[in-house]
Amino acid sequence: EVQLVESGGGLVQPGGSLRLSCAASGFTFSDHYMDWVRQAPGKGLEWVGRSRNKANSYTTEYAVSVKGRFTVSRDDSEDSLYLQMNSLKTEDTAVYFCARATYSGGHWALDHWGQGALVAVSS
Amino acid sequence: DIQMTQSPSSLSASVGDRVTITCRASQDIRNYLVWFQQKPGKAPKSLIYAASTLQSGIPSKFSGSRSGTDFTLTINSLQPEDFATYYCQQYRDYPLTFGGGTKVEIK
Repeated sequence: EVQLVESGGGLVQPGGSLRLSCAASGFTFSDHYMDWVRQAPGKGLEWVGRSRNKANSYTTEYAVSVKGRFTVSRDDSEDSLYLQMNSLKTEDTAVYFCARATYSGGHWALDHWGQGALVAVSS
Repeated sequence: DIQMTQSPSSLSASVGDRVTITCRASQDIRNYLVWFQQKPGKAPKSLIYAASTLQSGIPSKFSGSRSGTDFTLTINSLQPEDFATYYCQQYRDYPLTFGGGTKVEIK
């Protein structure tokens, strides 16, 4: 069974840093692209960033709103995905989900998601 | 960035109804579109990818279609478990972008 479990959320002051982790199991983590998606309280979904797999040199993509402040990384030996968040702003307050991206026939789908980790940025 | 405009933002429907949700892309995204369902306090669930291909395990009451830059999610015979918020997402180009969501409520 595919499982994704986020951890590391919490309360942080504006300007601070936080690192989220996503532990994966039940599939070959190293084969997959992995995404972070967030959802502010009572709001819609916002894509945050992506880590490609080793075959694609672990390259990354980011939303404009987090580029230069957030870094997506992974450790395939630990089956783990990370989101390093620096220079946090109040508008970064959200539940952060990690999601597995699966490629099939030229198309992508985020087919498995974690339960989410709450990040609250407040003084 | 590609903008995804979803409508309506909410709708009320009865059990057994057929509902239609629309998503319009600001530019050609071919059929690079996914539909998600999200229930309160839960992670999103992928329903359809490639605009019209059902994800494994998703019942055929859900269907998707495309006409140019307009995409439609149709839910037939609405059941209590279908009341949720639905989102579209394009994956034609980075940054990936979601529609604003459509909340389907019980009338």
